[in-house]
Amino acid sequence: DTEVTQTPKHLVMGMTNKKSLKCEQHMGHRAMYWYKQKAKKPPELMFVYSYEKLSINESVPSRFSPECPNSSLLNLHLHALQPEDSALYLCASSQQLGGTYNEQFFGPGTRLTVL
Amino acid sequence: DAKTTQPTSMDCAEGRAANLPCNHSTISGNEYVYWYRQIHSQGPQYIIHGLKNNETNEMASLIITEDRKSSTLILPHATLRDTAVYYCIVRVDQAGTALIFGKGTTLSVSS
Repeated sequence: DTEVTQTPKHLVMGMTNKKSLKCEQHMGHRAMYWYKQKAKKPPELMFVYSYEKLSINESVPSRFSPECPNSSLLNLHLHALQPEDSALYLCASSQQLGGTYNEQFFGPGTRLTVL
Repeated sequence: DAKTTQPTSMDCAEGRAANLPCNHSTISGNEYVYWYRQIHSQGPQYIIHGLKNNETNEMASLIITEDRKSSTLILPHATLRDTAVYYCIVRVDQAGTALIFGKGTTLSVSS
């Protein structure tokens, strides 16, 4: 199984809502990533977890809160978002963070719209 | 990580080879060249990577110049399903680093 799954596929939320994005992999990978992708732009790294600990936070606003409850799951909790946060949110995993030949597997993404 | 420069867009006829260039003139000796692609509305997909030797797999070939300042990704027989954004990424293979995407090349394959 080389699949990274993300739920939901689409999410529409208001600026006062609290919602969560979920990502799951069963490849035994110990590094998991969140990327944000605006239309016609490349993916931008947000967070990286390595062995269930937050390793990289690319100065992401606190209205985005990541969580890694176990080695297979990665959540992104959303609260008080702004319309400019509307984007495709991509999750990825790899055997470990960095190192030689470390292919990242990506999920299909969650399309988020903030009204 | 070294910066990469890619053409914004390229066209290719179906069945022909697609040659996608990437310039990475400031690459360091321990930096690898990675290629990923992103088909519309999907997550990025790994294609191939290399250090200094040419590499080939079932998807593509990677040709790296001897001075390592540029490389070319070759899709030998492009199909309509190869229409995607192709990202060339240069990175050090060491613990603690993640992929950083540049702007990429939009490849359009037409019949």
